Amino acid sequence: DIQMTQSPSTLSASVGDRVTITCRASQSISGGWLAWYQQKPGKPPKLLIYKTSTLQTGVPSRFSGSGSGTEFTLTVSSLQPDDFATYYCQQYSTYSSECFAQGTKVEIK
Amino acid sequence: QVQLVQSGAEVRKPGASVKISCKTSGYTFTNNYVHWVRQAPGQGLEWMGIINPNGGKTSYAEKFQGRVTITRDTSTSTVNIYLSSLESDDTAVYYCARSIGGAGDYWGQGTLVTVSS
Repeated sequence: DIQMTQSPSTLSASVGDRVTITCRASQSISGGWLAWYQQKPGKPPKLLIYKTSTLQTGVPSRFSGSGSGTEFTLTVSSLQPDDFATYYCQQYSTYSSECFAQGTKVEIK
Repeated sequence: QVQLVQSGAEVRKPGASVKISCKTSGYTFTNNYVHWVRQAPGQGLEWMGIINPNGGKTSYAEKFQGRVTITRDTSTSTVNIYLSSLESDDTAVYYCARSIGGAGDYWGQGTLVTVSS
């Protein structure tokens, strides 16, 4: 199974900051089948980006994704109050119980 | 609009089974796979399985093989997940999610399953 690891686990930032979250896979993810989700307490995850860099409809353009092979990043160009949440990456090249990484909590600094 | 509406919270004793339903609407049911993902309290997301409503083919995470079954009812556009031999570690919020090419674009509201003696 492909193991997914995110860093950092927690990130303290201020409104307006540029924020980058990294997601690493234990082996290359073919086809760039990598998604990013945002989750707020008590809510289901919200899809932000799929296939590494495709922005889901309705998601603000301050969110962007990049990467290939085993290393991928989610960038928020200017953090807004609504962006404080937990973010997860998911590989969907091969499904397993561990296709999601452990998450990154973005907190107010 | 696309909606996935899940059944309500459940409480079960260890060793019991549970069924959770996910009623979909707003799109052609057989055009999109449906995932099941769970989240234990304070923990991350865990993928459980997927079904192709067009034909009913399923795939399950190895961790749950033998005690999870996902079915679909095309007459009601509903996907169900059955989990048996419940343990306290199965206490979690269970989500269904519509798949677009593998990622989940629309999610149900979640169903809390509590396993306690």
